Amino acid sequence: GQQLNQSPQSMFIQEGEDVSMNCTSSSIFNTWLWYKQDPGEGPVLLIALYKAGELTSNGRLTAQFGITRKDSFLNISASIPSDVGIYFCAGPAPPMKTSYDKVIFGPGTSLSVIP
Amino acid sequence: GAGVSQSPSNKVTEKGKDVELRCDPISGHTALYWYRQSLGQGLEFLIYFQGNSAPDKSGLPSDRFSAERTGGSVSTLTIQRTQQEDSAVYLCTSTSGRGGNSPLHFGNGTRLTVT
Repeated sequence: GQQLNQSPQSMFIQEGEDVSMNCTSSSIFNTWLWYKQDPGEGPVLLIALYKAGELTSNGRLTAQFGITRKDSFLNISASIPSDVGIYFCAGPAPPMKTSYDKVIFGPGTSLSVIP
Repeated sequence: GAGVSQSPSNKVTEKGKDVELRCDPISGHTALYWYRQSLGQGLEFLIYFQGNSAPDKSGLPSDRFSAERTGGSVSTLTIQRTQQEDSAVYLCTSTSGRGGNSPLHFGNGTRLTVT
């Protein structure tokens, strides 16, 4: 079935550094979603991308919808301690249905920020 | 307003027993998903409810797993004859749209431990 791959699996960075992570798939996605999960909580949507080539920012976060429609990137600038968590890419599993979306998630990138 | 509520937050059960996990979605949300998150893993899709349509059960790992959604609101995930490999965090999420074009609102999950 469809599968999303994320890299790196985990990252340890110094506070203030920039972060870059990506998500790839062997299938074309029409929507790319980035969620963040804080410890002990459910994931929360950060950014949604709907168009190939789209570049969208949310504060210090920037995400891009890859031209091939098989990948997406998330960048975090000037990291701070509260950026710690697991970052998931997600999207409606192809082939997309007409009436609903089966949203699948990647395995996640675990981010640790050293103060 | 209130977010997605899941109960219990923690459940310890003996192998072979049945368990029921409850999800109260956000009022008015027509779509409801169940996911499973094993330690250090991503979110595994289990089942999806959308309005009055037949649920998408394609992610249920075995016939020991079942779920229902009564009155288009509260959902119950039932695991019969639990096995140790069922130990995981079970996350429920709801959305007002299709999931691919509207944010998924997650509960904090039920942590299930099968001894």
